[in-house]
Amino acid sequence: DTGVSQNPRHKITKRGQNVTFRCDPISEHNRLYWYRQTLGQGPEFLTYFQNEAQLEKSRLLSDRFSAERPKGSFSTLEIQRTEQGDSAMYLCASSLGQTNGYTFGSGTRLTVV
Amino acid sequence: AQSVTQPDIHITVSEGASLELRCNYSYGATPYLFWYVQSPGQGLQLLLKYFSGDTLVQGIKGFEAEFKRSQSSFNLRKPSVHWSDAAEYFCAVSDYNNNDMRFGAGTRLTVKP
Repeated sequence: DTGVSQNPRHKITKRGQNVTFRCDPISEHNRLYWYRQTLGQGPEFLTYFQNEAQLEKSRLLSDRFSAERPKGSFSTLEIQRTEQGDSAMYLCASSLGQTNGYTFGSGTRLTVV
Repeated sequence: AQSVTQPDIHITVSEGASLELRCNYSYGATPYLFWYVQSPGQGLQLLLKYFSGDTLVQGIKGFEAEFKRSQSSFNLRKPSVHWSDAAEYFCAVSDYNNNDMRFGAGTRLTVKP
């Protein structure tokens, strides 16, 4: 058990480009979450998977954002046509069952220039 | 939907002094409550959680928190702060399914020598 792994750690991209982030949860965790955190703020919920099913999406997740979790293992978060306002830390977390806290990865910091 | 308020943006305490960080939540039913700590550039680490039972919960690193339903509060305490406790602290509340965790804006803790 190596914890929740996120790649890359940092990503700098030009406005209008597409980016994709990867999250590898703790292997036995069936729940996976994506959050976005901007400077000086708490994490904001984006979306949630239980196994491979995406069960909830925040209104923050515009149609430029898409997340997948094929086979209920790793997950990817793709942002199309990036905007400067997308610059943030993107955090992934996983959990097992209903009565446990979430385990967070170290995040992917996205800078859109 | 559930929400969290952390009234203090920044707190400074002397090393060895006691600490209390405030957290107020809003949720129509019995909440699941959490405290996380985040060091610069890192992900969030779970300090403690409350689901049910004893309203005083013990966590890691000598922290404890008390759930007070009448005050809708879940304040974090530590009897003697160490310099290594300097970090950002986030209170979070989740719904009864624990699949929609919402965070407060955080309290930044500075520890004076």
